[in-house]
Amino acid sequence: GAGVSQSPSNKVTEKGKDVELRCDPISGHTALYWYRQSLGQGLEFLIYFQGNSAPDKSGLPSDRFSAERTGGSVSTLTIQRTQQEDSAVYLCASSPQGGGDSPLHFGNGTRLTVT
Amino acid sequence: GESVGLHLPTLSVQEGDNSIINCAYSNSASDYFIWYKQESGKGPQFIIDIRSNMDKRQGQRVTVLLNKTVKHLSLQIAATQPGDSAVYFCAERPRGQNFVFGPGTRLSVLP
Repeated sequence: GAGVSQSPSNKVTEKGKDVELRCDPISGHTALYWYRQSLGQGLEFLIYFQGNSAPDKSGLPSDRFSAERTGGSVSTLTIQRTQQEDSAVYLCASSPQGGGDSPLHFGNGTRLTVT
Repeated sequence: GESVGLHLPTLSVQEGDNSIINCAYSNSASDYFIWYKQESGKGPQFIIDIRSNMDKRQGQRVTVLLNKTVKHLSLQIAATQPGDSAVYFCAERPRGQNFVFGPGTRLSVLP
């Protein structure tokens, strides 16, 4: 079946512009996560959505970052006034439930380059 | 978590040999663990998982070992193939919390 889909796959933007990254999770998955991966590094947690509960935003690095999930499905990560240090791969993952013993299923990410 | 930046630990093995990738986890409250494989330009791909009530689990050509006493997790790959070349991440899930990922190990399979 279809996996996690992210778009765009690549995004180049100028410093100071806003960007929106999209994630389509696997159908029926109630948990959705955003991670950031800088070149050659591990995964940095950003935000977690579980069903209709309030999202866990504890990983967002600044108030320039926000995310929403509409209708319990598609999610959008927005970065306002982008900075060069925002350059990274942004990964989305979903799982059938949050907190249970289910692995995260990742998309292929959006590579963001801020010039 | 800790990071080694561009200089990921690298394990080089000969094609056909067995590989062992190690991971030290930090939280004794972690009760679920996963190994992921990440190829260049792709997202992490699930390999195998293990719960804290087990110390060993086997899949196809892969085995995960869990030692809770020393908080150590390992991934063994039998008869390593060129297609196994990738970065491997361990992830721990402290009870009631989100997953925490290790810094990754690059596996390089030599012909």
